[in-house]
Amino acid sequence: KQEVTQIPAALSVPEGENLVLNCSFTDSAIYNLQWFRQDPGKGLTSLLLIQSSQREQTSGRLNASLDKSSGRSTLYIAASQPGDSATYLCAPNIYKETSGSRLTFGEGTQLTVNP
Amino acid sequence: DTGVSQDPRHKITKRGQNVTFRCDPISEHNRLYWYRQTLGQGPEFLTYFQNEAQLEKSRLLSDRFSAERPKGSFSTLEIQRTEQGDSAMYLCASSLALDLLGWNEQFFGPGTRLTVL
Repeated sequence: KQEVTQIPAALSVPEGENLVLNCSFTDSAIYNLQWFRQDPGKGLTSLLLIQSSQREQTSGRLNASLDKSSGRSTLYIAASQPGDSATYLCAPNIYKETSGSRLTFGEGTQLTVNP
Repeated sequence: DTGVSQDPRHKITKRGQNVTFRCDPISEHNRLYWYRQTLGQGPEFLTYFQNEAQLEKSRLLSDRFSAERPKGSFSTLEIQRTEQGDSAMYLCASSLALDLLGWNEQFFGPGTRLTVL
């Protein structure tokens, strides 16, 4: 069974800092991995999807890396802003021949960026 | 707005009542997923449809839960005889897969928050 761990559980930083969120997963047989953002009481917003054959994916100030063999992914946020405050969730996507794919989520990293 | 929509956004019910939630996926998406999220936790997979076929159900989905996607478009999730432990956010997601190994980014709706009193 896939288990996902995200470190740190919570992070509070001043505006402008560059920061790294870590995700580790136990089953490296993943098809791809998604990073999401979730604001309190809201649904999930997909930030980046990184395929198992890729090592990096970038979108604006966000950069996600993937080391499939070691079961790790990191999300790098450059020049953080107060609007980045949210919970960030990592979800590797396991593919099964019989049924397609499912995402397994960690508990997330709660990020607060202070003005 | 052409994203995933869910209805209702909030539902308060008494223990023992039945509730039904609806999810409308992104129109061309052939896959639809249901997840449940409790406070402070990440979402947990419940079930998944490829077109109208329900292909996988989690052990979390007890006999009181049933999901349908009758015409391969919208889906409903029904909970019978609700219990306080059913209180959670129920999230729907959809994706487009051209084949079994196809691109499969999942897009989520805003969720339905269920409170069972």
